[in-house]
Amino acid sequence: KQEVTQIPAALSVPEGENLVLNCSFTDSAIYNLQWFRQDPGKGLTSLLLIQSSQREQTSGRLNASLDKSSGRSTLYIAASQPGDSATYLCAVRAAGNKLTFGGGTRVLVKP
Amino acid sequence: EAQVTQNPRYLITVTGKKLTVTCSQNMNHEYMSWYRQDPGLGLRQIYYSMNVEVTDKGDVPEGYKVSRKEKRNFPLILESPSPNQTSLYFCASSGGQGAAGQPQHFGDGTRLSIL
Repeated sequence: KQEVTQIPAALSVPEGENLVLNCSFTDSAIYNLQWFRQDPGKGLTSLLLIQSSQREQTSGRLNASLDKSSGRSTLYIAASQPGDSATYLCAVRAAGNKLTFGGGTRVLVKP
Repeated sequence: EAQVTQNPRYLITVTGKKLTVTCSQNMNHEYMSWYRQDPGLGLRQIYYSMNVEVTDKGDVPEGYKVSRKEKRNFPLILESPSPNQTSLYFCASSGGQGAAGQPQHFGDGTRLSIL
């Protein structure tokens, strides 16, 4: 059974510092991996999707890498801003079209 | 505006009283899915649907039913709700080629409390 882990569970950084969020998964037979952002009381917003054949995806200040063989993905957020404060979740899609989520990393960017 | 709409947003009800949470998307997406989110357990998939009349179990389907009679709608049915189904529920959809592998769009959530 696929298990997805995100460490740390919470992270606090001063504004301007780069953020590094980690996601690991136990079964490397995945189709893709997505990173989401969740704000309090809201649904999830998809940030980046990396197909299993890709090594990384970039969107603005966000960059996500994928190392399928080692079961790891990393989300980098450059020059963090207070508006980046949220919970970030990763999810992997494997056989059977199921999506398995990690527990999330709660990020606080202090002004 | 492209969106996934869930109703109701909040519901407090009692054990055993059947309820339905509706989900509708206006993006003509093929893939739709239901999740529940619980503290310490994260988001878990309940059911998903690849297209009209095609549904399949996720990781925690017990106590839930779904139907997909129309492409835009994917209601979640709790025939006999119990307190352990108190949770925050999300509906999501995705579309295009290889719909299940495309970015998912989420609704704002439904908070259910079952007493």
